[in-house]
Amino acid sequence: DIQMTQSPSSLSASVGDRVTITCRASRSISDHLNWYQQKPGKAPKLLIYAASSLQSGVPSRFSGSGSGTDFTLTISSLQPEDFATYSCEQHYATPWTFGQGTKVEIK
Amino acid sequence: QVQLVQSGAEVKKPGASVKVSCKASGYTFTNYGINWVRQAPGQSLEWMGWIRAHNGNTNYAQKFRGRVTLTTDTSTSTAYMELKSLRSDDTAMYYCARDGSESYGHNWFDPWGQGTLITVSS
Repeated sequence: DIQMTQSPSSLSASVGDRVTITCRASRSISDHLNWYQQKPGKAPKLLIYAASSLQSGVPSRFSGSGSGTDFTLTISSLQPEDFATYSCEQHYATPWTFGQGTKVEIK
Repeated sequence: QVQLVQSGAEVKKPGASVKVSCKASGYTFTNYGINWVRQAPGQSLEWMGWIRAHNGNTNYAQKFRGRVTLTTDTSTSTAYMELKSLRSDDTAMYYCARDGSESYGHNWFDPWGQGTLITVSS
């Protein structure tokens, strides 16, 4: 199975901050990497697919980059509604696997 | 709009089985696959398996093979996940999630159902 490791596991940030979350795959997954946002008690929501494609309706302050084993999710200017947990997911080889999640909290 | 609506929460005893439904609307059901993903309390997301709606082909995670069965009813655009021999560590929120793309190649989970909480307790 492909292991997905996110860092950090949690972070504290202020509104307006630039936030970067990284995700590393245990072997190359090309650009078959997706990012999800999850708020407490809610289902995950797709933000980015294929490493860098912004899902329709997702604000442009979210962006993704990377290929191979190293990937990044960036929030250019953190907004109050962005406080949530973010998870990466590889869709290169089954079983599809997720990172452990990064919780973004208010500083 | 595309929507997946799941059945309600259930409490089961160890050793029992549970069957969760996921009713799709807003798209051609047979054009997309449906995945099942679970999340134990405070834990990360875990993919359980996938079913191709139009022909019933399945792909199960090794961890769940033999204990989970995915099916679909194309007449009602509903997918089902049955999990047998329940244990306390099966207590989790269970989600259905549609394939984001109809085609092979890149894919993702979108949208997701609202989740069904399954509690396993004696």
